[in-house]
Amino acid sequence: QKEVEQNSGPLSVPEGAIASLNCTYSDRGSQSFFWYRQYSGKSPELIMSIYSNGDKEDGRFTAQLNKASQYVSLLIRDSQPSDSATYLCAVDTGRRALTFGSGTRLQVQP
Amino acid sequence: KAGVTQTPRYLIKTRGQQVTLSCSPISGHRSVSWYQQTPGQGLQFLFEYFSETQRNKGNFPGRFSGRQFSNSRSEMNVSTLELGDSALYLCASSLRQGGYEQYFGPGTRLTVT
Repeated sequence: QKEVEQNSGPLSVPEGAIASLNCTYSDRGSQSFFWYRQYSGKSPELIMSIYSNGDKEDGRFTAQLNKASQYVSLLIRDSQPSDSATYLCAVDTGRRALTFGSGTRLQVQP
Repeated sequence: KAGVTQTPRYLIKTRGQQVTLSCSPISGHRSVSWYQQTPGQGLQFLFEYFSETQRNKGNFPGRFSGRQFSNSRSEMNVSTLELGDSALYLCASSLRQGGYEQYFGPGTRLTVT
């Protein structure tokens, strides 16, 4: 079992819809969780961090964390074609380093 | 505030050669982590430096090494290059050591022929 798992996609949503990206992790001791966006040919860009159970909102983005279920998600409201990218989930698995999932490719159709 | 910078951006080397990559973190950041990104393996952690000391290391052979200078700039060295070392090498800087918010540079694209 991989330490951080994501569906590779592509996840295709129409413009204006809500995109829901999911990530599960195996280490119950994980404390810090991050979402990065990576455009093709570019480096990852930090878009959200979350440390406690519940929801955290930032503009059109909402991160959700459920430590009991070992699950973290990212919701993108009012999806735009410019949101089309690969979204990477990163978890501090207790080894004081980030472990990244393989990423979910999101396609927003105009 | 200036972001993370990496040089060079692109590099072509021959198998058996060695290479040195450079990373300058965001001003005030003392932690620099290095990652290798390939289509097959994704983003894999190489090592982290904080206050000029290696604090953590991933599962890479000893051919991969690094160092950090007193101004927090970091270099990564790969000796005896292999074809499989072709990848995007990313450095990320952070205010704190360990699994904290990390900000990536643009990366160095290394091609080994």
